[in-house]
Amino acid sequence: DAGITQSPRHKVTETGTPVTLRCHQTENHRYMYWYRQDPGHGLRLIHYSYGVKDTDKGEVSDGYSVSRSKTEDFLLTLESATSSQTSVYFCAISERGLAGASQETQYFGPGTRLLVL
Amino acid sequence: RKEVEQDPGPFNVPEGATVAFNCTYSNSASQSFFWYRQDCRKEPKLLMSVYSSGNEDGRFTAQLNRASQYISLLIRDSKLSDSATYLCVVNGRNNDMRFGAGTRLTVKP
Repeated sequence: DAGITQSPRHKVTETGTPVTLRCHQTENHRYMYWYRQDPGHGLRLIHYSYGVKDTDKGEVSDGYSVSRSKTEDFLLTLESATSSQTSVYFCAISERGLAGASQETQYFGPGTRLLVL
Repeated sequence: RKEVEQDPGPFNVPEGATVAFNCTYSNSASQSFFWYRQDCRKEPKLLMSVYSSGNEDGRFTAQLNRASQYISLLIRDSKLSDSATYLCVVNGRNNDMRFGAGTRLTVKP
């Protein structure tokens, strides 16, 4: 299994509070991703990173920010959590990135279950 | 319309059965296609990539039909351990990976 951990694994918070989720990898992969998974929607990309301090928005980035100060860590922050951000959050890594023709495989962390009350 | 659509199922089949899932995608320029497997309350894991010529891995066969913009997954001789949700993944217009919502399979004794 790819060396990806996520913390915390479960979190309950209240609307309006800030929340930071952490993804840590030991594979030295350049690309890291944050997804959310909701029933009926599949996984949707929030933000991704293609290197230290290099990040870009995904499909559902509103209300989220990210930071990557080291290769191994990718943080997802909800500045002011809302109930619509209740979800399961998955971090993923890949070696070569999003190039469509590369048949790039993404490896996922175990997920963080976030409940916003 | 979603970029990647799958029949959500559930598909309930007996052990030993053959079962097939289809997935349609809307981006005609897509180049990368995958099937991932996700067990209940676990992370998705790559099952197999899907190549233009089709590919087989043991009991699993994946096919791509570019003209009709769909990919398929065939599972032969189903095992109890095949029970999971199968996610279709296709690269989207921005070259990010777009996931279907998944098809749930339950294999029963």
